[in-house]
Amino acid sequence: ETGVTQSPTHLIKTRGQQVTLRCSSQSGHNTVSWYQQALGQGPQFIFQYYREEENGRGNFPPRFSGLQFPNYSSELNVNALELDDSALYLCASSPPGLAGSQETQYFGPGTRLLVL
Amino acid sequence: DAKTTQPTSMDCAEGRAANLPCNHSTISGNEYVYWYRQIHSQGPQYIIHGLKNNETNEMASLIITEDRKSSTLILPHATLRDTAVYYCIVRALSGGYQKVTFGTGTKLQVIP
Repeated sequence: ETGVTQSPTHLIKTRGQQVTLRCSSQSGHNTVSWYQQALGQGPQFIFQYYREEENGRGNFPPRFSGLQFPNYSSELNVNALELDDSALYLCASSPPGLAGSQETQYFGPGTRLLVL
Repeated sequence: DAKTTQPTSMDCAEGRAANLPCNHSTISGNEYVYWYRQIHSQGPQYIIHGLKNNETNEMASLIITEDRKSSTLILPHATLRDTAVYYCIVRALSGGYQKVTFGTGTKLQVIP
């Protein structure tokens, strides 16, 4: 059973560009969450996808968007990149559970984005 | 969402028990306490979680106070590989989704 994988591992972009980060969830997991982790800080929740729809969002502007595909893999898109978007972007997947249940999230290794 | 407070850093001698405290005084009844750790900016690794009873697994034990306002993660025999940032978080259900709020964590240094 493979864990959560993310690509690419590292990425360099310039201010104003757009970026797409990818995540493959752990086998059997149908929920994917994305986090941003700035240097020296804890991960900050961006949003979560369940059954191909966003069902929760943190305090991030609309230029942060995402997709989830039928195979439960996911993309994080960031438009109009700003210098402060430089961070480690983490994807976490969790398995199906009872409605309203707390299912453990398992994290991928992350994509380190540098915006110049 | 309930917030957590953890010491910024702690040291522990190799082979001794590491006791990492966490305060979550505003936790609500349906929120679980989760612990993760992160090594060298890798993805956070799940350790353990609990609601109100103490929990133990192969990695650690979780002790939650009766009023649920604080908890302690115990690594029974710390090794050098346990050096990491440890995050105590609470899980909130809001509109059916799982919002996770990380704090700043405790940097645990295991000393030979």
